[in-house]
Amino acid sequence: QKEVEQNSGPLSVPEGAIASLNCTYSDRGSQSFFWYRQYSGKSPELIMSIYSNGDKEDGRFTAQLNKASQYVSLLIRDSQPSDSATYLCAVYGQNFVFGPGTRLSVLP
Amino acid sequence: KAGVTQTPRYLIKTRGQQVTLSCSPISGHRSVSWYQQTPGQGLQFLFEYFSETQRNKGNFPGRFSGRQFSNSRSEMNVSTLELGDSALYLCASSLDRGLDTEAFFGQGTRLTVV
Repeated sequence: QKEVEQNSGPLSVPEGAIASLNCTYSDRGSQSFFWYRQYSGKSPELIMSIYSNGDKEDGRFTAQLNKASQYVSLLIRDSQPSDSATYLCAVYGQNFVFGPGTRLSVLP
Repeated sequence: KAGVTQTPRYLIKTRGQQVTLSCSPISGHRSVSWYQQTPGQGLQFLFEYFSETQRNKGNFPGRFSGRQFSNSRSEMNVSTLELGDSALYLCASSLDRGLDTEAFFGQGTRLTVV
């Protein structure tokens, strides 16, 4: 069964720090990788997509992909209390498979 | 550009009843996927439709079904509702496979079975 794993957290970081979120996946045929942010009671919101090995930066967010290690990560620089949410890693091969999510809490 | 629209937003049903949920994708998106989200199980894939055809199906019983219309709008149906079907049902639309698979979610339908 194709799986995506994440640390459930909660991950607590002080405001202004770097938050590091990690994700591993089992399907080597996976082609596309995504990070979603979900606030409590809301639907997931796409924040990053990455398709090739290496880093991809978008504002305060950096996604990192290592297909050989089957590993995806998301770094959030200068974390803000508004970043407090659950972050879902999603992997697309034949269909989307989501990880269980990591709860991030940014403390003022 | 309008986002993904799901209706209704909230539903309360009784055990044994059936329910139909609707999803209108982003204009131009031909793929619609459905997910069930519960606190214990996370986001679970139900099925994906593309050009009116079911392309993938998750591990859910046959009580869960869906369809897609020629305008890409999709419906999912749950028959003989059980208490455990209480969940947030999300649909997501995307252009297609490959590198255009960014999926965008609707606001969800929160179903409560009593």
